[in-house]
Amino acid sequence: GESVGLHLPTLSVQEGDNSIINCAYSNSASDYFIWYKQESGKGPQFIIDIRSNMDKRQGQRVTVLLNKTVKHLSLQIAATQPGDSAVYFCAENPQTGANNLFFGTGTRLTVIP
Amino acid sequence: DVKVTQSSRYLVKRTGEKVFLECVQDMDHENMFWYRQDPGLGLRLIYFSYDVKMKEKGDIPEGYSVSREKKERFSLILESASTNQTSMYLCASSYTRPVQYFGPGTRLTVT
Repeated sequence: GESVGLHLPTLSVQEGDNSIINCAYSNSASDYFIWYKQESGKGPQFIIDIRSNMDKRQGQRVTVLLNKTVKHLSLQIAATQPGDSAVYFCAENPQTGANNLFFGTGTRLTVIP
Repeated sequence: DVKVTQSSRYLVKRTGEKVFLECVQDMDHENMFWYRQDPGLGLRLIYFSYDVKMKEKGDIPEGYSVSREKKERFSLILESASTNQTSMYLCASSYTRPVQYFGPGTRLTVT
């Protein structure tokens, strides 16, 4: 079956540094990937998405990289701020035309002031 | 902005009670989802719906049922609450893109 996992469950970075959060997926047929941020006591918040026909997509201070060869997804956060402290999830859509998502268990990012 | 609201942020119920969790979205989304979130287990799909009066089982439907009588509203029902249903419950909705938009969550405690 599909699995969406993360290499590290926790990540601590200094304020102002860049953060990289990684995610592995197993279903090569997945065509859509999404990153979510979840702050304590809140629901997941959409950050950025990327289709399988792209390698890179940039947003405001965030970049998502997709390496289909090794089935790897990463989220890069530039100039990390204390407000970036949260749990970050990756999710994959394994079936074209259906909107179900499979979620990773999350990485907790802690920003050290 | 997409808005997904859930009827309660915190809920405490007794074992055996019938529990209703309500979710409303204001963006005319076709698809709605109910998840539970537990430490170390991530988000697990309970039920989802692609249209009014339509429902599909997710990965862990046992002990739950759902109702979708109107497009904007998707209800999760615990027929007889048990302590192992203590969890954070998250509702989400989506349209044509697979991106799901989540509500704030309901933290349910069953004693």
